[in-house]
Amino acid sequence: AQKITQTQPGMFVQEKEAVTLDCTYDTSDPSYGLFWYKQPSSGEMIFLIYQGSYDQQNATEGRYSLNFQKARKSANLVISASQLGDSAMYFCAMREGGNQAGTALIFGKGTTLSVSS
Amino acid sequence: EAQVTQNPRYLITVTGKKLTVTCSQNMNHEYMSWYRQDPGLGLRQIYYSMNVEVTDKGDVPEGYKVSRKEKRNFPLILESPSPNQTSLYFCASGQQINSPLHFGNGTRLTVT
Repeated sequence: AQKITQTQPGMFVQEKEAVTLDCTYDTSDPSYGLFWYKQPSSGEMIFLIYQGSYDQQNATEGRYSLNFQKARKSANLVISASQLGDSAMYFCAMREGGNQAGTALIFGKGTTLSVSS
Repeated sequence: EAQVTQNPRYLITVTGKKLTVTCSQNMNHEYMSWYRQDPGLGLRQIYYSMNVEVTDKGDVPEGYKVSRKEKRNFPLILESPSPNQTSLYFCASGQQINSPLHFGNGTRLTVT
């Protein structure tokens, strides 16, 4: 079974609008971290935001926020006021803790976001 | 500047010709890892290292070797590359389990 599921292969949004990119995860480990990365067409992986499993509040970083619903095992990325430069592939990822062998950053298959003017 | 440096950025080679992709980080991170990215498959882990002289297989280790003789360096070795190893490769490093990984800029490898 997939540990990270991103169900939206592609999303389209107009400039200045907000957009939500979906991510669900599967783990039985009580300690884990959830991450979002952005990959523009140039190829580099850019870290956006992190949410720990024990964090009480949803993480926010500038225009990025993470809608963390632990019971539903979802960690959706919300981008407010989209900009043309937000057009990229977005990856949700998870690291499980409490197990020395389970430190891999497991990625979803990504969502391509296209922002139009 | 804190960074992960991979070289080369682009590499075209032929089947069977041994190659090494270098990776170096200047953040004193204990954890380092190699991923490959293929269309429709996302990023998959090849090998990782928890510290010097400690390496472990990831999800797709076949055809690859790594070494961790020093904390800062984690080279990826393809002893006999094959066309199915054509991919975009990323090196990454990090500290604690729940801290973000820092990625290199990637190496686009083509094996003909």
